[in-house]
Amino acid sequence: AQSVTQPDIHITVSEGASLELRCNYSYGATPYLFWYVQSPGQGLQLLLKYFSGDTLVQGIKGFEAEFKRSQSSFNLRKPSVHWSDAAEYFCAVVGTYKYIFGTGTRLKVLA
Amino acid sequence: NAGVTQTPKFQVLKTGQSMTLQCAQDMNHNSMYWYRQDPGMGLRLIYYSASEGTTDKGEVPNGYNVSRLNKREFSLRLESAAPSQTSVYFCASSGITQASYGYTFGSGTRLTVV
Repeated sequence: AQSVTQPDIHITVSEGASLELRCNYSYGATPYLFWYVQSPGQGLQLLLKYFSGDTLVQGIKGFEAEFKRSQSSFNLRKPSVHWSDAAEYFCAVVGTYKYIFGTGTRLKVLA
Repeated sequence: NAGVTQTPKFQVLKTGQSMTLQCAQDMNHNSMYWYRQDPGMGLRLIYYSASEGTTDKGEVPNGYNVSRLNKREFSLRLESAAPSQTSVYFCASSGITQASYGYTFGSGTRLTVV
């Protein structure tokens, strides 16, 4: 069955520190993978996506993610976190006609 | 601005009442979706419409009905609201190939059933 796992429910980092959010997926074929960000009271905004080709993809707001087929992972990274990055982050894989979302990781940024 | 518009933004219902959540998109997208978001459970698909004239059940359809009124509009109806339907509801749309374009989400409807 297709699934997405985000093992970390909460992560706290200091402003300026690096960030890595984990995402593991289960999918029978080559996956289409996405990361979304949700600010409080808002809908979800697409950060980046992976379809094929280069396994390191760049997104908006300075985020990047690396697809590792051998580990079934698609981790999100940012070299230096800003206070405005505090939000909830969702990983998703595309199934037939619809996305399968992870349960989200809530990021807190310390000043 | 182009996007997905949901109404209302907030709603409180009594158990047993009915209501319809409205969603409209102006991006000429083929596919539209309704999700609910609950703490610790991520987003769960209620219903979706792959194209105008079609609707299909998602992961959690019980207690809901939908109507794809036209290409722009996709409504979600609660016929007899229950406290378990207290949630934040998101509508989303996507282009011809959803994987190519990703979803565009509305800003959500926060529903409380008392």
